[in-house]
Amino acid sequence: KAGVTQTPRYLIKTRGQQVTLSCSPISGHRSVSWYQQTPGQGLQFLFEYFSETQRNKGNFPGRFSGRQFSNSRSEMNVSTLELGDSALYLCASRLGGATGELFFGEGSRLTVL
Amino acid sequence: QQQVKQSPQSLIVQKGGISIINCAYENTAFDYFPWYQQFPGKGPALLIAIRPDVSEKKEGRFTISFNKSAKQFSLHIMDSQPGDSATYFCAARTGTGGGADGLTFGKGTHLIIQP
Repeated sequence: KAGVTQTPRYLIKTRGQQVTLSCSPISGHRSVSWYQQTPGQGLQFLFEYFSETQRNKGNFPGRFSGRQFSNSRSEMNVSTLELGDSALYLCASRLGGATGELFFGEGSRLTVL
Repeated sequence: QQQVKQSPQSLIVQKGGISIINCAYENTAFDYFPWYQQFPGKGPALLIAIRPDVSEKKEGRFTISFNKSAKQFSLHIMDSQPGDSATYFCAARTGTGGGADGLTFGKGTHLIIQP
């Protein structure tokens, strides 16, 4: 069974640009979450989607957005990039419900210059 | 506001020894406490998890001890091996209705097992 797949794995952008990251969850998983990982702040929850609806959202500005498609694949977008947005962005999927184990992808490493 | 405090930041243990990582939380609504292991270049992977109605859970060499009154939980790695060298994260989550909030993670512990 394939794991969570994230693309691209690495990317470099400049300040003010926007970026879109993609995530394909494990087959059958309907919930997709996004996390930001930085050395200073650690792992922080961005948002979670379930059946194409955003179910929960972390404490991030509106520049961070996401969506989920009918096949459960998800994308997240960051507009007007800032230097501080440089991070590893992790996608995780689970079957759904309150207790499902989260399975993480290997992440997309974004560098903002 | 850091809702889950993890210590130590880094830990060096001799092969065969016991590695102990501690976490404390503030939000009494948390009802699910997982531990994740992360190797360089990889995403975090679930090691073991516990709910607050249980004081201890053991899976192989990994044990979670949970103290609800003190709002603390810890990970013990018995007979630590060089392959256990990784970064470990504790986390907590509330379950709300049919779904669940996002995980709140500790800052992580960089564990090195010396051969």
